[in-house]
Amino acid sequence: EAGVAQSPRYKIIEKRQSVAFWCNPISGHATLYWYQQILGQGPKLLIQFQNNGVVDDSQLPKDRFSAERLKGVDSTLKIQPAKLEDSAVYLCASSLGWGRGTEAFFGQGTRLTVV
Amino acid sequence: DQQVKQNSPSLSVQEGRISILNCDYTNSMFDYFLWYKKYPAEGPTFLISISSIKDKNEDGRFTVFLNKSAKHLSLHIVPSQPGDSAVYFCAASLSGGSNYKLTFGKGTLLTVNP
Repeated sequence: EAGVAQSPRYKIIEKRQSVAFWCNPISGHATLYWYQQILGQGPKLLIQFQNNGVVDDSQLPKDRFSAERLKGVDSTLKIQPAKLEDSAVYLCASSLGWGRGTEAFFGQGTRLTVV
Repeated sequence: DQQVKQNSPSLSVQEGRISILNCDYTNSMFDYFLWYKKYPAEGPTFLISISSIKDKNEDGRFTVFLNKSAKHLSLHIVPSQPGDSAVYFCAASLSGGSNYKLTFGKGTLLTVNP
């Protein structure tokens, strides 16, 4: 079974530029998550989709971050404009359903460096 | 406000001995707890979980203990192997509805020495 695919693996951009990340979840997984992991911290949930609807985006900085999940499969996360503090690993995860007992499977992440 | 705390940034143990990783939480509403393991340049992988209705869950060399009154859980690895060297994250969630949101601790780097 293929895992969660993310691209690119690494990205370096200057502040105020824009960047987009792509995620392809495990086939059949209805729930998709984007997490931000800053160095030395645990992953923090940015947004959660159930199929193509947003379930939770309470921690998404909506003035600069946006995400979409068209057709309930692939998802993109965009940052525009980027700030230095956005430097982090962006992890995409998916799960079969929702609720406790449904563990999330993570991709390898995209390491973003904003200079 | 950090709701899930892993107060030990790192832990070093000898191969064959027991590794004990600790985690504390502040939100008494959390009712499901998970441990994830992360190797460098990879995403976290699910290791083991426990529901708040239990106080112990075992899977091979890995056992998680939950003490609800103390809001504390721990992961025991026996015997520890060099391949267990990784960052271990404790995570907690609230049940109810479709909002399965995991709150992670900062992680503990485990090093198992041969």
